[in-house]
Amino acid sequence: SSELTQDPAVSVALGQTVRITCRGDILRSYYATWYQQMPGQAPILVVYGKDTRPPGIPDRFSGSSSGDTASLTITGAQAEDEADYYCSSRDNSGSHWLFGGGTKVTVL
Amino acid sequence: QVQLQESGPGLVKPSQTLSLTCTVSGDSISRGNFYWNWVRQPAGKGLQWIGRIHHTGSTNYNSSLESRVSISVDTSNNQFSLDLTSATAADTAVYYCAREEANWGLYYFDSWGQGSLVIVSS
Repeated sequence: SSELTQDPAVSVALGQTVRITCRGDILRSYYATWYQQMPGQAPILVVYGKDTRPPGIPDRFSGSSSGDTASLTITGAQAEDEADYYCSSRDNSGSHWLFGGGTKVTVL
Repeated sequence: QVQLQESGPGLVKPSQTLSLTCTVSGDSISRGNFYWNWVRQPAGKGLQWIGRIHHTGSTNYNSSLESRVSISVDTSNNQFSLDLTSATAADTAVYYCAREEANWGLYYFDSWGQGSLVIVSS
């Protein structure tokens, strides 16, 4: 299918670990890309490829993939990590983009 | 560091054309193998990819919008633009422009504009 599915919301205690998942058949062919979006702000790239962070992204963010599921893990979540997270991938054509519905992360 | 900035009317009447421009600064829109994208987000909802353009003029569009959307590039002014015809209230959203980078077979949006709110209303 040409869809990416994310859980709508997850919560994590301060300093604990949270995994955000993204499922879709296309992820068997392409790595997911992950974006963080704070309220009222543009998305920013946090993880791409197998597990690559752009400069400036803390190493508590990591990516992984298995079969049709990609995951973004925040190890030692901080208050400033509270945001919406979106996964994205190219579709089967390789020239169009898909986004997951987003996961709202709440840090308790 | 590349920067992107959206501009255009914040209010569009139903049935009219929604038009936005993205101005790229800090780098040439014609450099490298980048694609230049438009993404939108209705209030309280997720991201929707609209389409993209290469500096050569090659385009790709979301199939759900393809009949109404057109993206063009103006390399002399380092800009690319979005036209969405026959606008309806469902097109009300924050519109983002974003640069798509290709890096060793990996693709991602590495730079985003701040977003431009467009309301479709009479």
